[in-house]
Amino acid sequence: AQSVTQPDIHITVSEGASLELRCNYSYGATPYLFWYVQSPGQGLQLLLKYFSGDTLVQGIKGFEAEFKRSQSSFNLRKPSVHWSDAAEYFCAVVPTSGTYKYIFGTGTRLKVLA
Amino acid sequence: DVKVTQSSRYLVKRTGEKVFLECVQDMDHENMFWYRQDPGLGLRLIYFSYDVKMKEKGDIPEGYSVSREKKERFSLILESASTNQTSMYLCASSLLSGEGGELFFGEGSRLTVL
Repeated sequence: AQSVTQPDIHITVSEGASLELRCNYSYGATPYLFWYVQSPGQGLQLLLKYFSGDTLVQGIKGFEAEFKRSQSSFNLRKPSVHWSDAAEYFCAVVPTSGTYKYIFGTGTRLKVLA
Repeated sequence: DVKVTQSSRYLVKRTGEKVFLECVQDMDHENMFWYRQDPGLGLRLIYFSYDVKMKEKGDIPEGYSVSREKKERFSLILESASTNQTSMYLCASSLLSGEGGELFFGEGSRLTVL
């Protein structure tokens, strides 16, 4: 079955430190890949997406993610975290087979220490 | 600016009541979705609609129904609310179908069933 795994439920980093959030997926082919962010009390906002081409994609708010086919991973990174990045982050995939069904990971909650 | 509006941010209902959650998008999107968000479980798809009066069940449709009489409006209905339906409900819309289009989310409706 298709699935998305975000192994870290909580991550705490200091402001200014680098960040990497992990995402692994299980699917027979390369799906479309997304990262969304949810600030407290808000809906989800798209950070970035990968459809094809360059495996390093840039997103909003200084985030980037790298698609690694061999590892079935799509990890999110940021070189220097800001206090305003504290939020919950969701990885999601959509199979490329013409389905509407987005599959979300269970999320990683980021805490930023001043 | 794109907008998905959920009419109620917070609702408190009693067991057995009929509950309507309304969602309106102003982007002329074909596809609309209702998700349920619970801690540790991520987002789970309840129903989605790819056209007016068209709907398909998601992963957890039991206890829910939907209505889409107009393109911009997608309603989630709990015919007889139960305490296990206490949750955050997120509405989303997307333009592209089967091509991994970005989801645009509302701010969520937090429902408490007593």
